[in-house]
Amino acid sequence: GAGVSQSPSNKVTEKGKDVELRCDPISGHTALYWYRQRLGQGLEFLIYFQGNSAPDKSGLPSDRFSAERTGESVSTLTIQRTQQEDSAVYLCASSPQNSGNTIYFGEGSWLTVV
Amino acid sequence: KQEVTQIPAALSVPEGENLVLNCSFTDSAIYNLQWFRQDPGKGLTSLLLIQSSQREQTSGRLNASLDKSSGRSTLYIAASQPGDSATYLCAVNSNSGYALNFGKGTSLLVTP
Repeated sequence: GAGVSQSPSNKVTEKGKDVELRCDPISGHTALYWYRQRLGQGLEFLIYFQGNSAPDKSGLPSDRFSAERTGESVSTLTIQRTQQEDSAVYLCASSPQNSGNTIYFGEGSWLTVV
Repeated sequence: KQEVTQIPAALSVPEGENLVLNCSFTDSAIYNLQWFRQDPGKGLTSLLLIQSSQREQTSGRLNASLDKSSGRSTLYIAASQPGDSATYLCAVNSNSGYALNFGKGTSLLVTP
């Protein structure tokens, strides 16, 4: 497909387990973003990748959260030792460059920690 | 830190009405401002992108304006339809960083 693809679309996990969320950006998009949206809340910025530059990790809420991206390809967001407050939809987006362009969102990975 | 506020939080209108959604931001040093639509259980769809040098953008029944100096944007929807029912999000791309700063959205319901 031509859009941003995220997997899994839904994940239920037990408290304390690790989870990994995957994002396939649109081909050729150098910028990739992860956001979190808790129920009834706005979008919180988590991390930004631009090409091979060092990522902007300023939005990661704790050291349990990490993300990787190799070049301009797939990104994974890992949450270690999940807590109930991690329950949210995790949205990935990509764009052709870091600013001045429309960004395109995937449909999100819905995480529920029980 | 850039703060983005959207008013109203929720809005219900009968079909056919014209309506205005408001967005304000605290730091006028921005690259651009985008309006998105989010349907329940779905991701975000970009509606309009206004660069900092522009005053407005139009797409079909949608018109977005930007007054950078006063930190305001409006999204005007003409002749609203039930299919317009969704949450509308305003997001600002600031000069100071790469991330979009989002408002909490306006939940719109258009009744037949």
